Order: sequence, then C-alpha cells, then structure tokens
Amino acid sequence: QVQLQESGPGLVKPSETLSLTCTVSGGSVNSGSHYWSWIRQSPGKRLEYLGYIYYNGNTNYNPSLLSRVAMSVDASNNQFSLKLYSVTAADTGVYYCARAPVRGTPDSWGQGALVTVSS
Amino acid sequence: DIQMTQSPSTLSASVGDRVTITCRASQSVRSWLAWYQHKPGKAPNLLISEASTLENGVPSRFSGSGSGTDFTLTISGLQPDDLAIYYCQQYNSFRTFGQGTKVELK
Repeated sequence: QVQLQESGPGLVKPSETLSLTCTVSGGSVNSGSHYWSWIRQSPGKRLEYLGYIYYNGNTNYNPSLLSRVAMSVDASNNQFSLKLYSVTAADTGVYYCARAPVRGTPDSWGQGALVTVSS
Repeated sequence: DIQMTQSPSTLSASVGDRVTITCRASQSVRSWLAWYQHKPGKAPNLLISEASTLENGVPSRFSGSGSGTDFTLTISGLQPDDLAIYYCQQYNSFRTFGQGTKVELK
C-alpha cells in the first residue's frame, strides 16, 4: 500500500519561498499510471488543488497560482516537491501531497504539513 | 474555473438517520465527481469516484448519484464514525472542491 509523507519547514517568512517534499513509499513516482499532486487547506477555507506532476515532468498548475508555483519529481529518491514563491500570510495552511490515478482523483494522501507564513 | 457548491454547510442528525448532502457544479462535470470524508488531523479519505463508484473498503451505507451539474452523497444509517466534514470535488476541468458539509450529532 502506497504511503506519502510531507516534509519541510513549518515557518516561512513573507516574500520568501515555501518548499515541501513528499516522500513516497510502497509505490514509485516513475509510475506512468499516476499523477503526483499537491493540495492545501488554509484556515477557514475549502481544500484547494495546487497542481500535479507526471513522472516525465509534465505539470498542470492551478491557474490562480500559475506564476508562483513549481513542482518537480526526483525519481532517484522517490520524491516529488513543491515550491511556492513570494508567499504571503494567505498561503498559511496545511499542505497535502497525494497520488491520483491518471484521469482520476487522489486516492492516497499524506497526513499533511502545517506551514505558517509569518515574520 | 468550475465552482462547486455544497448544501447544507452543517447537518445535524442522529445515529441511524439517512443523511443526504448535495453538490452542484457551475457547469457540467459529466460524471467526474468525487466525494471525500475528512476528519480533524487526518488525511481526506476518498469515498466515491466517478459520481457513484464506491472505493474499496468503504462501507456500503455510503452511496453517490448524479451527473452533469447535480450530485448527491447519501449515508444510509449514520454511524458515530461518520461524523466528519464531507467534500465534493470535480475533476472534469482541473480540480475544484466544494466548501464542505460538516456532519454532526443532533
């Protein structure tokens, strides 16, 4: 059974870059059958899909974040990563990584990582 | 982008009740609609995909229906373990979630 675990700093200063990594076990990021996704939930707000990446590096980002987001895959470490640039307090929230079947919806999620944007 | 609206926002029910949550899309998402259960401090759990397909291991008291713009999640016989927030999510065009429905005990 696949497991995902987020890691990264829990505190980021405004205007800086939020960086998170998701480590996958029990499955491979080289799978051509899945997309690797990032989803967040800010306080009091609904879940928000940030985007996803395919094993070959193809990405699909939320249009509202297009200029600030980047995702990458590291097959050698079986990980994928998220970078969110120029963060503000509105980027505070719990960030989840997840696996989704191609043409499907996330069926396995990490436990979530709380990231606070504050000086 | 496609907006998803759930109703009600909060639902109070008793153990054993039949519970219905609705989700409406701002435009057709065909059958590309999922339902998630989310408990505090845990990862969301996929209950239903493609509007009505029950995921492996999900109790049969959960069911989903609908297509196009109008969808329903039904819990037939609410159990204490079902107390959670439920989200719909469309994946026809990128992906967007509803605002959630909190199910609580009356």
